[in-house]
Order: sequence, then structure tokens, then C-alpha cells
Amino acid sequence: AQTVTQSQPEMSVQDAETVTLSCTYDTSENNYYLFWYKQPPSRQMILVIRQEAYKQQNATENRFSVNFQKAAKSFSLKISDSQLGDTAMYFCAFMKDRGSTLGRLYFGRGTQLTVWP
Amino acid sequence: DTGVSQDPRHKITKRGQNVTFRCDPISEHNRLYWYRQTLGQGPEFLTYFQNEAQLEKSRLLSDRFSAERPKGSFSTLEIQRTEQGDSAMYLCASSPPGQVPGEQFFGPGTRLTVL
Repeated sequence: AQTVTQSQPEMSVQDAETVTLSCTYDTSENNYYLFWYKQPPSRQMILVIRQEAYKQQNATENRFSVNFQKAAKSFSLKISDSQLGDTAMYFCAFMKDRGSTLGRLYFGRGTQLTVWP
Repeated sequence: DTGVSQDPRHKITKRGQNVTFRCDPISEHNRLYWYRQTLGQGPEFLTYFQNEAQLEKSRLLSDRFSAERPKGSFSTLEIQRTEQGDSAMYLCASSPPGQVPGEQFFGPGTRLTVL
């Protein structure tokens, strides 16, 4: 079974600063996908960034980047130059790349990020 | 709006009643997913369709739950004889065709409250 752990229920950061959200996962798979999704208050969940496990290079999307450590099964999200609009619940998620559960996302419990002025 | 839509957005029902939710995925997406999210938790997988075929069901999906996607377009999730423990946000997501499922696009969810 796949499990995803987010050990930080809440984080806060001042705008323009940098914050890192942690995520670890457990799997016996060698190839898989990892995601960070953002769920703003009362709004739908959107994808922030995606990482393929077979790629050694860490994914980046503008102010968002990840630190993917496959051996340690760690997948942290770094948000640079934080903005008030980054305030949201952030979920780390795992997906296998083959097998009967292909397509199923396994989510962590989330980290509530608050960006304050 | 060409995103994933869900109806209704909110549903309040009494214990023992049946409820049905609808999800309309993005039109070219052949994969459709249902998740349940309770307060303070991440979404939990319920079931998954590829076109009209239901390919996987979670053990969370008890006999009281049934999902359909009859023509490979919209999907419905029905809960029979609702219980207070069914109170949650029910999320629908869709993803485009491809050998490996890509990004899932989520709808706004249906919040169910069972009194």
C-alpha cells in the first residue's frame, strides 16, 4: 500500500519570503508520479507541480520548486517570494505509473499555509 | 466555463435518505474519478472510470454507494440510506486520454451534510 505523510499541519510565512512544505511517502514501486495540489479556501483543487520519479532533475514552475529525494522518499515543496494568494491547503499526492490502481491518487492530510502581510 | 462541474454544490439530508450527485468532466477527458474528503483529511479515493467502464472501487465504497458513467460522459454517485458518517465533501476529477493518466482536474465538490 502507498502512504503519504505531511508532518506539518500548519505553516505560516510573511509575504515575499520563502517557505518549504514537507512530504514523505512509502512505496515499493520504482516508477511513480508525485504531485503537489493547492486547495484555496472554498475553491477547487488545482495542480501546483508534478514530478516523475524516473527524472533526477527537480521540477520547477515559476516560484514553485520541489526537492525530490528518491532514496529518502521525500518530496518537499519550496515556495519562493510568497504571495497572499498562496494562502491555501497544500496536498502532497502519489500515483503509481502502472497496475490496477493506475490513475488513483493517494493524498497526504495536507498542510495549511498562511501568508501574512 | 469548460472545467469540471458538480451538482449540487451543497446537499443537506436526513439520515436514511438517498442522495445522488452528478459530475460533468471536461469534455475530452475519458477518465473520471470520485474522491471523498472529510474535515482535516486529504481526499480519499472512491472509484475510477475509464470511458464508461468502472475500473476500480475502493473498499470505502460500501454496498450503499454506487457510481455510474453510462455513456462515458457525466457520472453519478448515489448513496443509499445515508448515515451521519457519510457527511463529507465529495470531489470529482477528470483527466485526459494517455498511456499514463496525467494531471487530474478537480471540480468544486458537493458538500453533503447528513442530519
